[in-house]
Amino acid sequence: DAGVIQSPRHEVTEMGQEVTLRCKPISGHDYLFWYRQTMMRGLELLIYFNNNVPIDDSGMPEDRFSAKMPNASFSTLKIQPSEPRDSAVYFCASHQGYTEAFFGQGTRLTVV
Amino acid sequence: QKEVEQNSGPLSVPEGAIASLNCTYSDRGSQSFFWYRQYSGKSPELIMSIYSNGDKEDGRFTAQLNKASQYVSLLIRDSQPSDSATYLCAVKGGQGAQKLVFGQGTRLTINP
Repeated sequence: DAGVIQSPRHEVTEMGQEVTLRCKPISGHDYLFWYRQTMMRGLELLIYFNNNVPIDDSGMPEDRFSAKMPNASFSTLKIQPSEPRDSAVYFCASHQGYTEAFFGQGTRLTVV
Repeated sequence: QKEVEQNSGPLSVPEGAIASLNCTYSDRGSQSFFWYRQYSGKSPELIMSIYSNGDKEDGRFTAQLNKASQYVSLLIRDSQPSDSATYLCAVKGGQGAQKLVFGQGTRLTINP
């Protein structure tokens, strides 16, 4: 398996624009997590899904953020409108059952 | 109180010595505990998991868990310069059964 695949690897956008980050989990994994990492706040859990259903979105910072998982092999994290303070590395991770989580390579987002 | 707390460091250890990393967590019902290593600019990768009280050894790494004290630690014996990285403690279980929460991370530097 190719592991968790995220795209794009880097994204630079202007404030106010819509940004969509994509994630393909490892095949067979039933849990998918979205994290945001910054120097100040570390690795923050934004939302996680189980069998494509959002279970806990309490970490989503505000209504500008939304996440979907239309099927078992694809998830998106959307920011609309984007702001400079959204600049961070966004990670997607997946796992099966009670096993450890595997991370994608991350998307480095810069909002100018 | 943060759900998972770590000393952010930096922690500096001479080559060949033992590096000791510590973590505390707030949810007494937590069941699964993980240590991830993250090199600069890379994604977190799992190095140890522990589920029951006591010690678990894997090569130069030993994880220790004390559920009564809500404390997890990682010992790295015979530290190598290649061990220089940020070490992230992660906790799962309890009220958010599959919610995987990370500490801020401890930056470790091994000095040759």
